Amino acid sequence: GAVVSQHPSRVICKSGTSVKIECRSLDFQATTMFWYRQFPKKSLMLMATSNEGSKATYEQGVEKDKFLINHASLTLSTLTVTSAHPEDSSFYICSARDRTDEQYFGPGTRLTVT
Amino acid sequence: AQSVTQLDSQVPVFEEAPVELRCNYSSSVSVYLFWYVQYPNQGLQLLLKYLSGSTLVKGINGFEAEFNKSQTSFHLRKPSVHISDTAEYFCAVSDQTGNNRKLIWGLGTSLAVNP
Repeated sequence: GAVVSQHPSRVICKSGTSVKIECRSLDFQATTMFWYRQFPKKSLMLMATSNEGSKATYEQGVEKDKFLINHASLTLSTLTVTSAHPEDSSFYICSARDRTDEQYFGPGTRLTVT
Repeated sequence: AQSVTQLDSQVPVFEEAPVELRCNYSSSVSVYLFWYVQYPNQGLQLLLKYLSGSTLVKGINGFEAEFNKSQTSFHLRKPSVHISDTAEYFCAVSDQTGNNRKLIWGLGTSLAVNP
């Protein structure tokens, strides 16, 4: 099956700094990628839908200025958590949708803000 | 608006016993249905999906699910579970139209297989 990678897998940063997470579709082109946040023992919360070459569509309650999304190519989307705070600590997961409409998920990035 | 309800947050079961994880959905339009599995500290993996056709869908690792339109259900079953099936299972739906089709997720069911 198709492979989606995320980098880094784990990151620890200090409060007030920014962190960039990359999501890549390794063997297919993805015009649409999704960014999720998952809290411990909780379901996935869709943060935003990222479309190649256009602005991301954010879900209600997600601060677009805090969670910057860029989808510059058909295989790469990035999520930047700006001015991170401890409450931003979470597991961030991306997915990429292929031409058959199936979503493939990355392995996730665990962000810890100290 | 669509919603997904996973009726059991935790399901403990003994190894080699059968298991059913329940999922009900609500939607005013036709939907696609999915089950994903998440092993500890990993991303999500598609177990199976229903798009159309036969209502009984077979997936990986011996799992299957049956789409029941009248009961708006898509329960996941396995006749004999292994310790390695211990994981979080998520049911999801998406509608069949629109360019930004989003997955609507259930809260997950934690399956714990005990020896």
